[in-house]
Amino acid sequence: DQQVKQNSPSLSVQEGRISILNCDYTNSMFDYFLWYKKYPAEGPTFLISISSIKDKNEDGRFTVFLNKSAKHLSLHIVPSQPGDSAVYFCAAHGNAGNMLTFGGGTRLMVKP
Amino acid sequence: GAVVSQHPSRVICKSGTSVKIECRSLDFQATTMFWYRQFPKKSLMLMATSNEGSKATYEQGVEKDKFLINHASLTLSTLTVTSAHPEDSSFYICSAPRRGNTEAFFGQGTRLTVV
Repeated sequence: DQQVKQNSPSLSVQEGRISILNCDYTNSMFDYFLWYKKYPAEGPTFLISISSIKDKNEDGRFTVFLNKSAKHLSLHIVPSQPGDSAVYFCAAHGNAGNMLTFGGGTRLMVKP
Repeated sequence: GAVVSQHPSRVICKSGTSVKIECRSLDFQATTMFWYRQFPKKSLMLMATSNEGSKATYEQGVEKDKFLINHASLTLSTLTVTSAHPEDSSFYICSAPRRGNTEAFFGQGTRLTVV
C-alpha cells in the first residue's frame, strides 16, 4: 500500500514558466512533508519542507502548498530553469523512528 | 550544516564477492540511519533501518543475510552486500536524521555494479 504517491512520472516545462509537481498521501498521521531533488548518480538533496499546521511555505523560487483536507501537496517552481531538471521526490514524516516515506518521484525536464 | 558522507561513490565487483558501503554522519551523532536502494526509474526503496548498538530492522522482502548492516558507533553505519550478484547492481543511499530535526540528511550514494 503506497502511502505517498506522485502520479505523474514526468513533467516537461518551458524555461521561465511555472513547474507544478504534485503529491498525494493517504496517512492522516503524517505531520511533516519534504521535497527532495535528485540528480542522476547523486543522493537526494533537501529542497523545501512544510509542517502539517501550515498550508504554504515559500523559499525563493520554490513554494510548497499543503491541502490537508485533500491530503495533497504540491511544489511550485517559478520561474523554471534548465538546472531544475532532475527527479523530485516528495516525502512524508510521521511514522515512528523518524522514517520518511517517499513518493515514486517525478522527473522534471525544463527545456531552454 | 549537517553532512552525511557515503563511501565509496562507485564500485565494480565480481559476482560472488562482498562489498562494504560506509555511511558516516560528520558533525552529529545518528542513533538511527536508513539504507535505501534505487532501481532505474523507480523510487527510493527503504531496505532497512540501522540502529546503533542493536540489530537492524529490515523491510519485508529484504534478505538480512545478504545485506548485512552494522551500526557500531553513533557516526558510522555500514552496509555489506554479501556474495553479490548482477541483480544486486543498483544505487544505494544512506540517510541519517539528526535528533530533533525532521529533515533526513542523505549520503552521496553508491553505484554498485556487479559483473
